[in-house]
Amino acid sequence: GDSVTQMEGPVTLSEEAFLTINCTYTATGYPSLFWYVQYPGEGLQLLLKATKADDKGSNKGFEATYRKETTSFHLEKGSVQVSDSAVYFCARRANDHDDKIIFGKGTRLHILP
Amino acid sequence: NAGVTQTPKFQVLKTGQSMTLQCAQDMNHNSMYWYRQDPGMGLRLIYYSASEGTTDKGEVPNGYNVSRLNKREFSLRLESAAPSQTSVYFCASSRRGRNYEQYFGPGTRLTVT
Repeated sequence: GDSVTQMEGPVTLSEEAFLTINCTYTATGYPSLFWYVQYPGEGLQLLLKATKADDKGSNKGFEATYRKETTSFHLEKGSVQVSDSAVYFCARRANDHDDKIIFGKGTRLHILP
Repeated sequence: NAGVTQTPKFQVLKTGQSMTLQCAQDMNHNSMYWYRQDPGMGLRLIYYSASEGTTDKGEVPNGYNVSRLNKREFSLRLESAAPSQTSVYFCASSRRGRNYEQYFGPGTRLTVT
């Protein structure tokens, strides 16, 4: 069925390292795509989104590009900080007739000082 | 704006007890959601409400009931709690439309013994 697959964690990096978290999706059509972040003890919050193919979402130094050819939406950041330690969720709009979102299982990121 | 608020933050129940989780949003959103988050499982949708007076089952509705009291409030009820319902519960809301993200509350951590 339609789903979102993201790389398993935890991912551990040193401060200032380059980050990539892979995300691929299956879907009919071109759904809106999202990255959410969950800091410890908090709810999810939107990090960035892309609503059509080839769009690039960006926020707080993070970027992701909607690649319809590879059905991917990989999250990248050039230089991570300790404060980026969190769980990251890739997600896609479920369908065209309601507002549901399908979430990936999440990737935990640890940044070492 | 407070955004999405949830009460309580923590709760411990004994097997068979009942309780209601409360959720309210002040963003005039039509759509509201209840999710549960379990380790390794990501977020799973329990129930969804597209508007006041309407509710739909999500991926894991068994053992739960919901009530969309008005546009602001969406409650989740456990009639007879079971240990399998130990989880973190999140409420979310969103505007109607394919490009809009969901806004999450801070969560309720529920333990059923």
